[in-house]
Amino acid sequence: EIVMTQSPATLSLSPGERATLSCRASQSVSSSYLSWYQQKPGQAPRLLIYGASTRATGIPARFSGSGSGTDFTLTISSLQPEDFAVYYCQQDYNLPFTFGPGTKVDIK
Amino acid sequence: EVQLVESGGGLVQPGGSLRLSCAASGFTFSSYEMNWVRQAPGKGLEWVSYISSSGSTIYYADSVKGRFTISRDNAKNSLYLQMNSLRAEDTAVYYCARDDDTIPHDYWGQGTLVTVSS
Repeated sequence: EIVMTQSPATLSLSPGERATLSCRASQSVSSSYLSWYQQKPGQAPRLLIYGASTRATGIPARFSGSGSGTDFTLTISSLQPEDFAVYYCQQDYNLPFTFGPGTKVDIK
Repeated sequence: EVQLVESGGGLVQPGGSLRLSCAASGFTFSSYEMNWVRQAPGKGLEWVSYISSSGSTIYYADSVKGRFTISRDNAKNSLYLQMNSLRAEDTAVYYCARDDDTIPHDYWGQGTLVTVSS
């Protein structure tokens, strides 16, 4: 099983700041199979990024993804009030398809 | 507009069974792969099961293999999850999520809560 880890567990930032979230896989994952999701309290997750760097439909350009192999990054260039949420990475390269534990981005 | 609506959750005793449904609309259901993903209270996301568009290919997480069965009825635009031998650790919100070819989980339902407790 590919174990996904995310850091930090919590990121405390102010609106307008840049957020950098890390996702690491226990073994190499094809970039085509790495995605990022945003989840707000009481809501279903929402797809942000797939293929490591492709924004999903309707996702603002301030969200970007990068990385390859075992190290991937989600960057939010300038945090907006609606961006404070939990972010998960997931690999669907190998079974079972595993999620990271999440990074909570909260307001400083 | 793509819509996924789960139903069938509720309170069940350990060892019991429950069948979840996911009603799809706004797209050609028979052309898309589907998944179940769950989230225990206050915890992260856990992928549970996958089914191909035709239903010919199915995968499960080890934690549910042999107890849960995923299926679909393309004529009824519906996805199902039959859950047997339920355990306390199966308590979670269960989401259905669509895959669009190379795009994973592009749409999600609102979830249905399953509580396993005596």
